[in-house]
Amino acid sequence: IAGITQAPTSQILAAGRRMTLRCTQDMRHNAMYWYRQDLGLGLRLIHYSNTAGTTGKGEVPDGYSVSRANTDDFPLTLASAVPSQTSVYFCASSEQGWNNEQFFGPGTRLTVL
Amino acid sequence: GENVEQHPSTLSVQEGDSAVIKCTYSDSASNYFPWYKQELGKRPQLIIDIRSNVGEKKDQRIAVTLNKTAKHFSLHITETQPEDSAVYFCAASRGYGGSQGNLIFGKGTKLSVKP
Repeated sequence: IAGITQAPTSQILAAGRRMTLRCTQDMRHNAMYWYRQDLGLGLRLIHYSNTAGTTGKGEVPDGYSVSRANTDDFPLTLASAVPSQTSVYFCASSEQGWNNEQFFGPGTRLTVL
Repeated sequence: GENVEQHPSTLSVQEGDSAVIKCTYSDSASNYFPWYKQELGKRPQLIIDIRSNVGEKKDQRIAVTLNKTAKHFSLHITETQPEDSAVYFCAASRGYGGSQGNLIFGKGTKLSVKP
């Protein structure tokens, strides 16, 4: 693994189903983030984690949950998917805090029908 | 909370011309202003950033200016090339205060450079 990876690359999901998007980084970055990208709305923060064991809510957290059991992994879970969660999801990481370059993963394209 | 406005939403220039993208922010405590470039189907990547203790930063054909009094910052690309075609996002952060330190992104500018 080099950098930050996400899985799956894309997914079509029935409404009401549970889904976990995976994110792994090997840069030993303290901070990790989940964004959703929708056309015309830019990147909006869903949840973040400043360090392993801590998480926080971003701008659009409803319907999503995260965990940060270790430094490398930061999974995003949709407990019961709804069509409005159709989006491209990007995971990102930075050495620490908000005032540092964020490195983005390749993204997961999620369609909820 | 912070609000970042970005203009224009689309910009078309001829190869070799300059391109300017402008952003305004609302939180006077913001002190970090990065710019990300996203090519079609790819991930966003940082191209330049500026902190509040400087007014201008340059990296080859790219420069960013910051006016803290007016709360706006701009990206300048000179001698544009077709490979500069992408969506550009500005962002702002105060860098502290838990979730209030969030990096807030503008809605993006689609730049097209015509050969």
